Amino acid sequence: GAGVSQTPSNKVTEKGKYVELRCDPISGHTALYWYRQSLGQGPEFLIYFQGTGAADDSGLPNDRFFAVRPEGSVSTLKIQRTERGDSAVYLCASSLTPAVRTDTQYFGPGTRLTVL
Amino acid sequence: KNEVEQSPQNLTAQEGEFITINCSYSVGISALHWLQQHPGGGIVSLFMLSSGKKKHGRLIATINIQEKHSSLHITASHPRDSAVYICAVLIGGSQGNLIFGKGTKLSVKP
Repeated sequence: GAGVSQTPSNKVTEKGKYVELRCDPISGHTALYWYRQSLGQGPEFLIYFQGTGAADDSGLPNDRFFAVRPEGSVSTLKIQRTERGDSAVYLCASSLTPAVRTDTQYFGPGTRLTVL
Repeated sequence: KNEVEQSPQNLTAQEGEFITINCSYSVGISALHWLQQHPGGGIVSLFMLSSGKKKHGRLIATINIQEKHSSLHITASHPRDSAVYICAVLIGGSQGNLIFGKGTKLSVKP
């Protein structure tokens, strides 16, 4: 079946604007993760969903960042009042097992966000 | 502070060479992942291990919990192995978070 997909693949926006990044996980995967990867760095955890609820949002850098997963499948990462420091590749991953984070995570191709 | 350190940062090898990439971590972990990231961002999970050794094709991953160290080995390397290899550790138990290393960029020349 299809893997994890993310849209858009690239997003260029101006400082102060609002953006939404979408993630379509593998069908049937209950767990969904958002990560952010800055240039030359490894990915950094942002938020983790079990089903519809955010089980752990401790990685969100500030209240400009918010994510939802209303029906337990597609998730949207929302960034308000974007800043140049938000420029990064935003990665989404999903896994089958909802309760245990040791399960294999399947990553999407990422959305490259550039804030001018 | 870097809880996960990888070495080397960059590695160039000739086709056929045996490759070793190292990962050291400073905290107690529940599990360790090795991931492969190709240009363009796509990440593939290679291994998840919490003890001992795992093998898949030409890839071998080992972990020494006491020494807080893991290695990823590639035998008979090939240009298609060129990618960034990332080590990530799971801290905080089964409900914890993944902490990623910065990655090792491998380039295998024909």
